[in-house]
Amino acid sequence: EAQVTQNPRYLITVTGKKLTVTCSQNMNHEYMSWYRQDPGLGLRQIYYSMNVEVTDKGDVPEGYKVSRKEKRNFPLILESPSPNQTSLYFCASSFRDPTLSYEQYFGPGTRLTVT
Amino acid sequence: AQSVTQLGSHVSVSEGALVLLRCNYSSSVPPYLFWYVQYPNQGLQLLLKYTTGATLVKGINGFEAEFKKSETSFHLTKPSAHMSDAAEYFCAVSSFGNEKLTFGTGTRLTIIP
Repeated sequence: EAQVTQNPRYLITVTGKKLTVTCSQNMNHEYMSWYRQDPGLGLRQIYYSMNVEVTDKGDVPEGYKVSRKEKRNFPLILESPSPNQTSLYFCASSFRDPTLSYEQYFGPGTRLTVT
Repeated sequence: AQSVTQLGSHVSVSEGALVLLRCNYSSSVPPYLFWYVQYPNQGLQLLLKYTTGATLVKGINGFEAEFKKSETSFHLTKPSAHMSDAAEYFCAVSSFGNEKLTFGTGTRLTIIP
């Protein structure tokens, strides 16, 4: 089954304790991205990657890191989490279709609480 | 720069009534427009998209949307609401060859039995 998987689905942690949220896709998509979803703000892009070893900042990159060492994996790293990073996080992957639009496939989400 | 405005953060309709969710966009280049749906505790799922060609686009679950360039709108409609349509709906914009999606703030749809 074609899918994007994220782990963990739920995480409660304390301020300053480094954490990694994993993301993996089995569709051989080149493009992957991370979003955070907050009430009243919709989804905002954190980082994206056009291919292996190619990453770039989205709209809200502060406090986050990413890496893309393999095509299928795109982990999100919070080196020193703070309470304002409490949010719902989504990983997405996409391909470019013949109309040159990118159709994004989303993972199930990771709900992170930082106390 | 591109942006999306969704009018109404919460919309309630009776079962069997028309669903209308509003989306207006701003884009300096011809837009590609998307509607995504998010069911409780799930990720986002593509409902439909407009890239080029026919301005009336049909999607899954009986939804459709019409691209109106003169009004910079891409409203989502469904003739008859079903209880299973209760979810949050997001409008998003990108453009030709551009992988970045810019999302609206979402509209939560409630169906009244």
